[in-house]
Amino acid sequence: GENVGLHLPTLSVQEGDNSIINCAYSNSASDYFIWYKQESGKGPQFIIDIRSNMDKRQGQRVTVLLNKTVKHLSLQIAATQPGDSAVYFCAENRDTGAGGTSYGKLTFGQGTILTVHP
Amino acid sequence: DGGITQSPKYLFRKEGQNVTLSCEQNLNHDAMYWYRQDPGQGLRLIYYSQIVNDFQKGDIAEGYSVSREKKESFPLTVTSAQKNPTAFYLCASSLTGSSYNSPLHFGNGTRLTVT
Repeated sequence: GENVGLHLPTLSVQEGDNSIINCAYSNSASDYFIWYKQESGKGPQFIIDIRSNMDKRQGQRVTVLLNKTVKHLSLQIAATQPGDSAVYFCAENRDTGAGGTSYGKLTFGQGTILTVHP
Repeated sequence: DGGITQSPKYLFRKEGQNVTLSCEQNLNHDAMYWYRQDPGQGLRLIYYSQIVNDFQKGDIAEGYSVSREKKESFPLTVTSAQKNPTAFYLCASSLTGSSYNSPLHFGNGTRLTVT
């Protein structure tokens, strides 16, 4: 309903620590997953993506892990910095029609608030 | 700089009035999207367009309308039929509408308040 998700999960870390943000997805047929970062008053920014034929993908300071057995996705941020403070969303593609992923069918999670203390 | 421009950043309207939100992109992307974001919630898809002169309803299209007459532009009209129009509206684009290597690029949103 409209009130689901008003209280977002939060994660507070100290600068320099590693952060792990988790996301559970519901559709075992989802084949593509994306992490976005959203700073206050701005649009989401792409961080990293992963396809279901992989279980790990690394970027700059970020790693995404995919566990299809338990339908779980995580984002690891190394050496977290104050500039990493934001809301982090996972998104899954639930509609895998012939020809590949359809972006019109991405479903976003509610988000996790990450606060990094200096 | 290439990007997506949404205007205005803040918009205030009286109940019963239609209002149109602007979205322009100069990324030469084929596909464009409108999402709605409510406090503490994820994004919900309103409409999307994979090519000029074509668009499809998303999950919450009721009370909204769109047009895609030009590749660069995808305006969203919030009509008086939309029961809860106050929200943060995000426009996005992607190189194509169906590609693993074509992530969504978002604008910085328009915050609409209807009283």
